[in-house]
Amino acid sequence: DTAVSQTPKYLVTQMGNDKSIKCEQNLGHDTMYWYKQDSKKFLKIMFSYNNKELIINETVPNRFSPKSPDKAHLNLHINSLELGDSAVYFCASSQVIGGNSPLHFGNGTRLTVT
Amino acid sequence: GENVEQHPSTLSVQEGDSAVIKCTYSDSASNYFPWYKQELGKGPQLIIDIRSNVGEKKDQRIAVTLNKTAKHFSLHITETQPEDSAVYFCAASNKSGFQKLVFGTGTRLLVSP
Repeated sequence: DTAVSQTPKYLVTQMGNDKSIKCEQNLGHDTMYWYKQDSKKFLKIMFSYNNKELIINETVPNRFSPKSPDKAHLNLHINSLELGDSAVYFCASSQVIGGNSPLHFGNGTRLTVT
Repeated sequence: GENVEQHPSTLSVQEGDSAVIKCTYSDSASNYFPWYKQELGKGPQLIIDIRSNVGEKKDQRIAVTLNKTAKHFSLHITETQPEDSAVYFCAASNKSGFQKLVFGTGTRLLVSP
């Protein structure tokens, strides 16, 4: 059983298109995140949701819109894709909000914009 | 905000040797310091973490030390094995407000047989 699963694993698309990445966790966690990993492996938080409510929004272009239909799902929709959006996007979840608890990551979605 | 620096960026060792990765952080309020291992094509996985009320923590071949005064923490891997080869990330966060882990820049560890 995969604890945090993302789809698709690979996404190749052209500039200007709109695409979505889906994430589901079966750990019963209340908090979910999107992280971006660039070509130099640098990991940076984009968004955090707690029980469907947006908690953290890190200076991300508003072309990126997360949506959490329930606390087990956090999707990421990207409009008008740009070359600089090419990266690996990781979904993660954690049990405790407002405290410090381990993040559980999915295996990532490699987005390539051509 | 928090800033985490990590060194070295790459580390090559022979099987059986020890490996040490070091990180420094800037925010004295940070109190949680996890280490993640990322294998090729996978997401980062927690391997060990330490909280600011503890100076050292060990789990089999892996240990982490924390020096709050100097604001640095280190990962020690003893008796390295080829399967330890991966990218390792340190991270830091504080408990005020909602958890926001800030990651270091990663260390690529290569263990040669």
